[in-house]
Amino acid sequence: AQRVTQPEKLLSVFKGAPVELKCNYSYSGSPELFWYVQYSRQRLQLLLRHISRESIKGFTADLNKGETSFHLKKPFAQEEDSAMYYCALDGGSQGNLIFGKGTKLSVKP
Amino acid sequence: NAGVTQTPKFRVLKTGQSMTLLCAQDMNHEYMYWYRQDPGMGLRLIHYSVGEGTTAKGEVPDGYNVSRLKKQNFLLGLESAAPSQTSVYFCASSQRGGANSPLHFGNGTRLTVT
Repeated sequence: AQRVTQPEKLLSVFKGAPVELKCNYSYSGSPELFWYVQYSRQRLQLLLRHISRESIKGFTADLNKGETSFHLKKPFAQEEDSAMYYCALDGGSQGNLIFGKGTKLSVKP
Repeated sequence: NAGVTQTPKFRVLKTGQSMTLLCAQDMNHEYMYWYRQDPGMGLRLIHYSVGEGTTAKGEVPDGYNVSRLKKQNFLLGLESAAPSQTSVYFCASSQRGGANSPLHFGNGTRLTVT
């Protein structure tokens, strides 16, 4: 079964600390994975996708097929990073995404 | 360029009432989706459409119907609302499926069924 697991509902860190939001997936084929972010009172938006191998707002995510993981990392958290983060998997069925339950990141001053 | 627009933003219904949520996109996207967001459940796909005149069931389609009569609009209907349908509903669109076509979301509709 296709599944995305985000084990942490809430992650709280201090400004300047490293951040890692965990995401594990279950998928039989070659996965396409994404991180979406929802800032307070804003719409959900794409943060990054694994095929781009890009760094957005200091965040990176590496696909580890052996561990079936796609963890989101940032070396130094900022207060403006506080948001809800969703990991998502392209289910292969005409473009719809399978989302994890989300992790709320709170960066304290 | 408004992107994806959802109306209404808020609505309160009584059990058994019906309503339609409207989603409109001005990006000429082929694919459109309706998700619901519940605390601790993340986003779950209700229905989706891969083009004008087409619809398909997602993960949680029961109690909902959809229509895609025009490419730019995707309507979500609740025929007989139930308290279990209290949720935040998000519409999204994409040019096509796959990793090169990210989803663009609307601002959401907060629905309460009493």
